[in-house]
Amino acid sequence: DVKVTQSSRYLVKRTGEKVFLECVQDMDHENMFWYRQDPGLGLRLIYFSYDVKMKEKGDIPEGYSVSREKKERFSLILESASTTQTSMYLCASRTSANTGELFFGEGSRLTVL
Amino acid sequence: GIQVEQSPPDLILQEGANSTLRCNFSDSVNNLQWFHQNPWGQLINLFYIPSGTKQNGRLSATTVATERYSLLYISSSQTTDSGVYFCAVGNTGGFKTIFGAGTRLFVKA
Repeated sequence: DVKVTQSSRYLVKRTGEKVFLECVQDMDHENMFWYRQDPGLGLRLIYFSYDVKMKEKGDIPEGYSVSREKKERFSLILESASTTQTSMYLCASRTSANTGELFFGEGSRLTVL
Repeated sequence: GIQVEQSPPDLILQEGANSTLRCNFSDSVNNLQWFHQNPWGQLINLFYIPSGTKQNGRLSATTVATERYSLLYISSSQTTDSGVYFCAVGNTGGFKTIFGAGTRLFVKA
């Protein structure tokens, strides 16, 4: 079975802190994605990566950056966390073809105080 | 871009009842998935079904790509079926997966 693992299920951070959310997949997938989910707004794509060291902005990249140094790991970075970034963050991966099945991690619920 | 509409937005069932959830999409797609989001927030893969019919236990799904819709059937519903069901699609030439707004299901004991 495909496994996508997110490093933390629940985090509480203070405004201005730097936050790292880690995601690891074990199926040698080329594509990896970070989404955030908020009530009434659905799932919104923050960034995606189609290969090591390659990244593309999604719909809401402002305030975020990403890193993909190894194929299996995709990190989401909040350089200076704000209360507006309190949300559920979901990582996903799939094979290179956009016909591939998308698999999600368990999610990371971030609260910024 | 592709628009994805799910209906109904909310559904309350008595345990044991059957239901049909619908997903309409506005353009041709080359992938379609159904997910169940459990109360803890995790998105669980139910079906990868760009066309045709699949069954897995009490759940089945049908996608009629030429008519741009997919249906998810839940039979003999259980309280553990509660949660939000999402339809998600993608088309050629793009990386993006487009999600519907979801159907929130509550199954009463």
